[in-house]
Amino acid sequence: KAGVTQTPRYLIKTRGQQVTLSCSPISGHRSVSWYQQTPGQGLQFLFEYFSETQRNKGNFPGRFSGRQFSNSRSEMNVSTLELGDSALYLCASRGGEDQETQYFGPGTRLLVL
Amino acid sequence: DAKTTQPPSMDCAEGRAANLPCNHSTISGNEYVYWYRQIHSQGPQYIIHGLKNNETNEMASLIITEDRKSSTLILPHATLRDTAVYYCIVRERNRDDKIIFGKGTRLHILP
Repeated sequence: KAGVTQTPRYLIKTRGQQVTLSCSPISGHRSVSWYQQTPGQGLQFLFEYFSETQRNKGNFPGRFSGRQFSNSRSEMNVSTLELGDSALYLCASRGGEDQETQYFGPGTRLLVL
Repeated sequence: DAKTTQPPSMDCAEGRAANLPCNHSTISGNEYVYWYRQIHSQGPQYIIHGLKNNETNEMASLIITEDRKSSTLILPHATLRDTAVYYCIVRERNRDDKIIFGKGTRLHILP
């Protein structure tokens, strides 16, 4: 079974731009969570989507948003990028027989200049 | 907030057993202990989980104390490839709430 995939893997943007990241979960998984990882803050939860609905949300400003499609693929968007948004953005899916174990993708490394 | 406490870093000699502790003194009866690890610049990887019995799989063993207030992840024969950050998480199964990662333990395997 294919794992979680994320595109693009690397991205460079400038301040003020917006960015969209994509995540394809493991086949059959309906939950997709997004995390931001920086050296100073570690792994921070952004939000989780389940069956196209946002189920949980972390403490991030409204510039961070997401959505999930009927095929469970998910996108996250960051508008008006700031230097501090430079991070590794990780997506994780869960579902199937084991609803609890999260399976992570390789991440998208975003650099904001 | 994370419900677990882990040492920020540990060293282990290659070939020896690596024992990573985790304190979860406020764990409730329905909460499981999960372990993940993250090798540099990769996504975290699931290792093992347990409720109250000790568990073993091809990657590691999980020892949970009888009072369930702490646990130890054991990598029986550590290799250089086990160098990673190890995260201990407690959560109930079949809950819809978010999964929170703490700071984890950075394990250095020394040649």
